Amino acid sequence: AQSVAQPEDQVNVAEGNPLTVKCTYSVSGNPYLFWYVQYPNRGLQFLLKYITGDNLVKGSYGFEAEFNKSQTSFHLKKPSALVSDSALYFCAVRASGNYGGSQGNLIFGKGTKLSVKP
Amino acid sequence: ETGVTQTPRHLVMGMTNKKSLKCEQHLGHNAMYWYKQSAKKPLELMFVYSLEERVENNSVPSRFSPECPNSSHLFLHLHTLQPEDSALYLCASSQEIQYSNQPQHFGDGTRLSIL
Repeated sequence: AQSVAQPEDQVNVAEGNPLTVKCTYSVSGNPYLFWYVQYPNRGLQFLLKYITGDNLVKGSYGFEAEFNKSQTSFHLKKPSALVSDSALYFCAVRASGNYGGSQGNLIFGKGTKLSVKP
Repeated sequence: ETGVTQTPRHLVMGMTNKKSLKCEQHLGHNAMYWYKQSAKKPLELMFVYSLEERVENNSVPSRFSPECPNSSHLFLHLHTLQPEDSALYLCASSQEIQYSNQPQHFGDGTRLSIL
């Protein structure tokens, strides 16, 4: 069965410091991995995805994520955090391939609240 | 602007009321989804539609009734809801459900409160 774990409910970072939001996954075969961000009173906004190729993926707003197959991880990173990055971050996984039905569903982690203090 | 619009943004209803949530996507996508987001819980997939046909129904109570009249519009009809149904209801769309490397695009949700 596919699953995603975000081990931290909350991450606190000082503005200007690097940030990491952790994600590990379990899926049959090769994964497609996604990060989304949710600001208060808004829906989920797509940040970046890993499909294949380079393990370091760059996305919106200066975020990047590193795919590590041996550790089954896809941690979200940013070199210098901004107060405006404070939000809820979701990691999601889906098995690669051409699926219909529940095998093709996107599985979300429970979310990590990022708080960036000035 | 995500290309997915949900109305209303907020809804308060009694347990005996009937109301509908509306979702419209302007992205030319063929798949649409309803999710429920409750505090302290993972996102719950409720329904999936592909080309106006329902392909997934995740054991959702019958008091929630989806409708997809065309690939751009999705509704969630509500009646006789319970207090535990209070949540943020999110609509999403994607190109095709079979092409799993494409992201889903979400609306801003309807915040539903059941009195």
